[in-house]
Amino acid sequence: DTGVSQNPRHKITKRGQNVTFRCDPISEHNRLYWYRQTLGQGPEFLTYFQNEAQLEKSRLLSDRFSAERPKGSFSTLEIQRTEQGDSAMYLCASSLQGWDTEAFFGQGTRLTVV
Amino acid sequence: KQEVTQIPAALSVPEGENLVLNCSFTDSAIYNLQWFRQDPGKGLTSLLLIQSSQREQTSGRLNASLDKSSGRSTLYIAASQPGDSATYLCAVLYNFNKFYFGSGTKLNVKP
Repeated sequence: DTGVSQNPRHKITKRGQNVTFRCDPISEHNRLYWYRQTLGQGPEFLTYFQNEAQLEKSRLLSDRFSAERPKGSFSTLEIQRTEQGDSAMYLCASSLQGWDTEAFFGQGTRLTVV
Repeated sequence: KQEVTQIPAALSVPEGENLVLNCSFTDSAIYNLQWFRQDPGKGLTSLLLIQSSQREQTSGRLNASLDKSSGRSTLYIAASQPGDSATYLCAVLYNFNKFYFGSGTKLNVKP
């Protein structure tokens, strides 16, 4: 396993369209996180899964955002009716269960809404 | 509210210099702290993880320290190289669910 994989790497979409991103975590990791990062800022938490259960969602995650992790493996993040303010880097991370474990991030998906 | 601050926001040094990046956090009840490197347009690469019970961790030319009581961590880079140029982010884990990130320090090492 070569690490956390995210697809696509880049996505350009027109305002109002729906987009979906995919994250494949490191295979034995049961925790999966989604973060959003805008230029010059640190990543901000969006949501977190333990296995297939979505345990926490940020208030940043409006009703237009939905995330799933069927069967506790890969995860998808969907944004409906995209807005220009959604333009950002979307990062996925995974880790093993436990407070002393290291988190590993993917290369991110860069979304541009025009 | 948990806040993480990184100073300086940007740093430019000549090659070979030793340098220190700072990270401060408002709530000392952390589980662990992790330092990451981010190259432009790329994801985050984990550098060092310090558990709450530890004082420091070392990896090659990197040394990270943690002082929970004062809410501070430092990342020391020895003998800096142009390839070290990147943004360095610290992230604090307060519970199992999420990391709180600083805004990063953008490092430029000049040949």
